[in-house]
Order: sequence, then structure tokens, then C-alpha cells
Amino acid sequence: QVQLQESGPGLVKPSGTLSLNCAVSGGSISSGNWWSWIRQPPGKGLEWIGEISHSGSTSYNPSLKSRVTISVDKSKNQLSLNLYSVTAADTAVYYCARNGRVCLEYWGQGTLVTVSS
Amino acid sequence: DIVLTQSPGTLSLSPGERATLSCRASQSVSSSYLAWYQQKPGQAPRLLIFDASSRATGIPDRFSGSGSGTDFTLTISRLEPEDFAVYYCQQYGSSPPMYTFGQGTKLEI
Repeated sequence: QVQLQESGPGLVKPSGTLSLNCAVSGGSISSGNWWSWIRQPPGKGLEWIGEISHSGSTSYNPSLKSRVTISVDKSKNQLSLNLYSVTAADTAVYYCARNGRVCLEYWGQGTLVTVSS
Repeated sequence: DIVLTQSPGTLSLSPGERATLSCRASQSVSSSYLAWYQQKPGQAPRLLIFDASSRATGIPDRFSGSGSGTDFTLTISRLEPEDFAVYYCQQYGSSPPMYTFGQGTKLEI
């Protein structure tokens, strides 16, 4: 069964860049699936950030599109998220997931990122 | 953009009882594009239902999904202690491609 593990800095300064990786195990990132990033502010609901295919095609949430880049590194079997010009409102648990049939089938455990000086 | 509204916000029930959770969309949603997730404290969401009524792998048959158009329901036939959690509905829109979640229903004892 595929497993996903997020990693990256837990603290980012305001106006900086939030960078996270998601390592995929138990399967290949080139398997033909799409892969997503989702976030959840503390005590709040879920917000989809965007998705990427194994070939690098992307779709982003329009509300974040101007600040987000998602990429894939096939050699490392991982996907990455970069969120630019962050503010306190970007403080959240960030999840990566493997897309299923228009759903999010497998999720990582999530990583908390706090935006603070 | 389609908005998903879940009700009730909080549902208080006891083990053994039946739970009915609602998800209403602001405009018609393809049944194939509606999913439900369960999230326990400190854990990632877990996919329960996709295509409005298909159970994900390993999900007990006490969980069932139904509905069409703008009204969808997640039913838990007989609550087990481990079912007390927050439940989210999610729809997929294709133009532009986007996943949208409801605000969640907390199922508590």
C-alpha cells in the first residue's frame, strides 16, 4: 500500500517561502496517478491547494494560484510544494495525498507549519 | 464556485445508534464527484466513500453514502465507539479542476 510522508521546516517567517516535500513509498510517483496538497489551519476545515500529474501537469486552487508551485521529482519519488509570500493565515497542517477517482485516496500524516517571526 | 454546506455542525449520539449526516451543494454536483472523509483528532482524513455511494477499501459496511443532485447523505447504521470523529464531504469540479470540502460535521458521544 502506498505511503506518503511530508517533511520540511516547521517554522517560516512572514513574507518568506514555505517549502515542503512529500516522499512516496510503496508505489511509484510515475504510476499514472495525480498527487495533491491540502492544508488545514488549526481547528478549521480542509482546503485543497493543488495537484500534479506524474508528467508535471498542474492545477491549482484559484485562491492560491498566484503564490503556489507544485513539482515532482521522479528520481526521488517525491513531490514538492512551494508557497510564496506567506502570512500568518498560511499557518496550517499541510498534507500530501494520492488522488483516486476524483477523490483523495491516500494521505500523509501531515506536517504543521507555523508562520511567525 | 460550488459551496458545500454540512449539517448539523455537531451531532450528539450514543454507540449503537444510527447517524445521518447531510451535505448540501449550492448547485448540482455529479454523483460521481462526491466523496466523504473521516478525521480523528491528530490524524489525517481517511477516505470513506467515493462516487457518492462506493465504500473505499477496508471501510466497514455500516458506512453508506447516498444522494444526488444537490443533496447527499452519509449514514452510519450502528455507531461504534471509534466512529466518533469529524466528517467532511468533498466535491470535484472540473472547470477549473478543483476539490472543495464542506465545513465538517462533528459526531460526538
